[in-house]
Amino acid sequence: DTAVSQTPKYLVTQMGNDKSIKCEQNLGHDTMYWYKQDSKKFLKIMFSYNNKELIINETVPNRFSPKSPDKAHLNLHINSLELGDSAVYFCASSQAGAEAFFGQGTRLTVV
Amino acid sequence: GIQVEQSPPDLILQEGANSTLRCNFSDSVNNLQWFHQNPWGQLINLFYIPSGTKQNGRLSATTVATERYSLLYISSSQTTDSGVYFCAGRRTGNQFYFGTGTSLTVIP
Repeated sequence: DTAVSQTPKYLVTQMGNDKSIKCEQNLGHDTMYWYKQDSKKFLKIMFSYNNKELIINETVPNRFSPKSPDKAHLNLHINSLELGDSAVYFCASSQAGAEAFFGQGTRLTVV
Repeated sequence: GIQVEQSPPDLILQEGANSTLRCNFSDSVNNLQWFHQNPWGQLINLFYIPSGTKQNGRLSATTVATERYSLLYISSSQTTDSGVYFCAGRRTGNQFYFGTGTSLTVIP
């Protein structure tokens, strides 16, 4: 049973398209996150979200938006994709600031 | 935000060797984790260690919270230990700050 699962694992798309990455956690955690890993392997927070608060990293373009239909899901929508958006995107979850668990990542390639 | 420095950035070991990886934080953190990113890109939880020492098989970790650093020990390294090791810390709020990683290659 996968604790944090993301789909798709790979995503290749053209510039200008809109795409979504889905994330689900079955750990009962109250907080979910999206991280971006760039080509140099650096992991940077994009969003953190619980049922009370959405915290957005101010460096994230507003083309990126998180959508949470319920506590167990946090999807990432990206509009007007650009070449620089190519990266690996990780979803994660934790409970009240405790140990975080990560999904397997989604490798996004924009061509 | 918190700056997280990891050392060394790159490490090559002969199989069977031991190593110590270090993580320094610019400010105090309440929670700290070590991860292994394997060659397939998965982030594997190694330790959740805000303070003290923990051991799991050939791996152990020590965090000295008052001095804002953590150490990861790998003993009797194996080729499957290859990959990138990250530490991440959180102070207040929800965000984990990641280090830049240590890239480990274990050669047979």
